[in-house]
Amino acid sequence: EAQVTQNPRYLITVTGKKLTVTCSQNMNHEYMSWYRQDPGLGLRQIYYSMNVEVTDKGDVPEGYKVSRKEKRNFPLILESPSPNQTSLYFCASSLRAAGGTDTQYFGPGTRLTVL
Amino acid sequence: EDKVVQSPLSLVVHEGDTVTLNCSYEVTNFRSLLWYKQEKKAPTFLFMLTSSGIEKKSGRLSSILDKKELFSILNITATQTGDSAVYLCAVGRSGSSNTGKLIFGQGTTLQVKP
Repeated sequence: EAQVTQNPRYLITVTGKKLTVTCSQNMNHEYMSWYRQDPGLGLRQIYYSMNVEVTDKGDVPEGYKVSRKEKRNFPLILESPSPNQTSLYFCASSLRAAGGTDTQYFGPGTRLTVL
Repeated sequence: EDKVVQSPLSLVVHEGDTVTLNCSYEVTNFRSLLWYKQEKKAPTFLFMLTSSGIEKKSGRLSSILDKKELFSILNITATQTGDSAVYLCAVGRSGSSNTGKLIFGQGTTLQVKP
């Protein structure tokens, strides 16, 4: 089944404790992206990747890191989480760059709480 | 600053009503406008619009883009309770430094009552 998976789905952590949220897709998509969703603010793009070893900042990259060493995986790293990073996070992928002619598929979401 | 604004932010209707959701944008290097539906989980793709004045249709849902006035509408006719969701509008940009970036609006929460 074609899908985007994220782990963990739920996470409660404390300020400053490094964490990684994994994202994997099995559709051989070139493009992958991370978003956060907060009430009243919609989805905001954190980072995206056009292909392996090619990543770029979205609109809210501060406090996050990403890497794209393999086509299927695009982990989101919070080196020193803070309470303002409490949010619902979505990973997404599409065959080519979002906004083009390809449908973007979203993962199930990761709800992160930073105490 | 690029922005996408949706209206209304929330809407309550009864089954059978027709609703119109609005999305206006101010985005440099516009490439496409996309609509998504989000029900208690991940967004799912509805439409992508790139050309002005051409309606996209899928069952009871339809959408059209006006590139001159910089807005799009999403129409849902004969609404059903299963249409209750958050509807998201997003704009994709073109250009070497922008390809891959999407800007989302705040979303419109639609509740359809029986």
